Amino acid sequence: DVKVTQSSRYLVKRTGEKVFLECVQDMDHENMFWYRQDPGLGLRLIYFSYDVKMKEKGDIPEGYSVSREKKERFSLILESASTNQTSMYLCASSHPGPPNQPQHFGDGTRLSIL
Amino acid sequence: GESVGLHLPTLSVQEGDNSIINCAYSNSASDYFIWYKQESGKGPQFIIDIRSNMDKRQGQRVTVLLNKTVKHLSLQIAATQPGDSAVYFCAEILNFGNEKLTFGTGTRLTIIP
Repeated sequence: DVKVTQSSRYLVKRTGEKVFLECVQDMDHENMFWYRQDPGLGLRLIYFSYDVKMKEKGDIPEGYSVSREKKERFSLILESASTNQTSMYLCASSHPGPPNQPQHFGDGTRLSIL
Repeated sequence: GESVGLHLPTLSVQEGDNSIINCAYSNSASDYFIWYKQESGKGPQFIIDIRSNMDKRQGQRVTVLLNKTVKHLSLQIAATQPGDSAVYFCAEILNFGNEKLTFGTGTRLTIIP
């Protein structure tokens, strides 16, 4: 089974802090993704990566950056956390297409910014 | 029971009955679709996928139907069980080979014992 592991289930940080969310997958997937999930808004893509050291902006990249130094690890960075970044953050990974392959998700990090 | 995922976000079904969850997608160029199940406190779990060159695909107790004419996707769950209670999301990929998924907002399915 695909295993996507997010380092923290719950995290509480303060406004202005630099926050790191870590994600590791064990299936040798080239693609990795970061989403945030908010009530009524569904899942929205923040950043994704097709390969080591490669990154592309998703739909809502403002206030975030990412790092992919190793194939199995994808980090999401909140440079200066703000209260509107309180959310559930989900990491996913997949093999590249074609044909398209499903993304597999971790169990999420619930981040609260005070 | 039947729902339109984007307009009726909740659906209650008696245990043992079949359920149908619907999803209307907006882009006729979408060519890959996935259904996910998300239980409370967990990440979305892949259920079944379908490509645009198909109109039906079956899994274990689940069937996905794709109607490209009206841009409609449905997930049928047979003989529902309490463990089927969850939020169900449809997701689509716009272009073949493009990796970006666009998600619907989800439908909450509740199984009544």
